[in-house]
Amino acid sequence: QITLTQQAESLWISPGERVSITCRASQSLLYTDGKHYLSWYQQRPGQTTKALIYHASVRTDGVPTRFIGSGSGTEFTLSIEHVQPEDFAIYYCLQTLKSPWTFGGGTKLELK
Amino acid sequence: EVQLVESGGGLVQPGRSLKLSCAASGFTFSNYYMAWVRQAPKKGLEWVATISTSGSRTYYPDSVKGRFTISRDNAKSSLYLQMNSLKSEDTATYYCARRGPSWYFDFWGPGTMVTVSS
Repeated sequence: QITLTQQAESLWISPGERVSITCRASQSLLYTDGKHYLSWYQQRPGQTTKALIYHASVRTDGVPTRFIGSGSGTEFTLSIEHVQPEDFAIYYCLQTLKSPWTFGGGTKLELK
Repeated sequence: EVQLVESGGGLVQPGRSLKLSCAASGFTFSNYYMAWVRQAPKKGLEWVATISTSGSRTYYPDSVKGRFTISRDNAKSSLYLQMNSLKSEDTATYYCARRGPSWYFDFWGPGTMVTVSS
């Protein structure tokens, strides 16, 4: 199965800063259609899990432009520019290229 | 507005069965693949099952294959997860999720908690 590794379990940042969360796959997530089957999710207490990014770099409807997905092959990054108070949450990557679909272990953004 | 609401969680003894339900609204349920994802306490997310639009195709990871069965009733806009031979490691919050056409989970429910303990 494809393993996704989010190296950082926690990242401490201050509001207004820029942060990057990385997700490394054990094999390429590029399909023959030219798309990467990697998505990003946000979990906040008391809220439903929210999809942020799909195909590695496409923002879902309504997601602020400060959320930027990038990367290719096996290395992917979710960047958040000018972090807002509501962005302190846990972020997960997910691969849907091959079954079993697998998530990264999660990265928690914490207030410095 | 898309809404997914799970129900049916609770405390169950090891080896017993439980059936979860997910009521969907705000979209044409029969047009979407649906899935279950779980999260053990203080742990990460784990995909549990996916079902095709008609229900004819189902997919599971090895951790639940043969014990869990995903199904759907398109007339009722409802998704189900039958869980048999439950183990303590099945203790988790179970989320119903819609799989969008671009192969990601575009909407999630709030979850229902399942505790497997004697």
